[in-house]
Amino acid sequence: GENVEQHPSTLSVQEGDSAVIKCTYSDSASNYFPWYKQELGKRPQLIIDIRSNVGEKKDQRIAVTLNKTAKHFSLHITETQPEDSAVYFCAASFTGGGNKLTFGTGTQLKVEL
Amino acid sequence: NAGVTQTPKFRILKIGQSMTLQCTQDMNHNYMYWYRQDPGMGLKLIYYSVGAGITDKGEVPNGYNVSRSTTEDFPLRLELAAPSQTSVYFCASRAANNEQFFGPGTRLTVL
Repeated sequence: GENVEQHPSTLSVQEGDSAVIKCTYSDSASNYFPWYKQELGKRPQLIIDIRSNVGEKKDQRIAVTLNKTAKHFSLHITETQPEDSAVYFCAASFTGGGNKLTFGTGTQLKVEL
Repeated sequence: NAGVTQTPKFRILKIGQSMTLQCTQDMNHNYMYWYRQDPGMGLKLIYYSVGAGITDKGEVPNGYNVSRSTTEDFPLRLELAAPSQTSVYFCASRAANNEQFFGPGTRLTVL
């Protein structure tokens, strides 16, 4: 089955700096890669996703890049703000057989003033 | 439009007890999922369903059972609760664009 590794496990940045979180996946059949943000005690919420036919996608301060050859994808947050502090999870799935998501272990992002 | 709802929000069980975690969605999604999230970890898939009457095992199904008699409801049954089942349980449903919408979660403690 699919295996997703995520790094780093914790990340501390100064407000206004950029943050980058990286994930690798094992199953070359995976073709959907979402990123979720989870605040303490809350449910995960989708912030951005990318499909395997696209190399990069951007939404305001958030961008995701995908390298299918190397089987890794990354989340980029620019101009970080204190409200960006949360746990971020990457995931991968193949759009068939139930579209089951395999999650990474999460990155605790702390944006310091 | 309430999205995905779960009950209860919190529950404490004694070892060996049983309970059902309820999950309902009002978005008419065919695909539904149950995950567990242990402290400091990602979410692991327990069971999923691709439509009413169809369920299948995920990564960590042991100790759990599910049923899907309607599109809206996807209950998760714990039989003979064990301390290893202490976790936060999230239900989710999937839209046509693959986005999964999560419920608020049920925090379960087994003592």
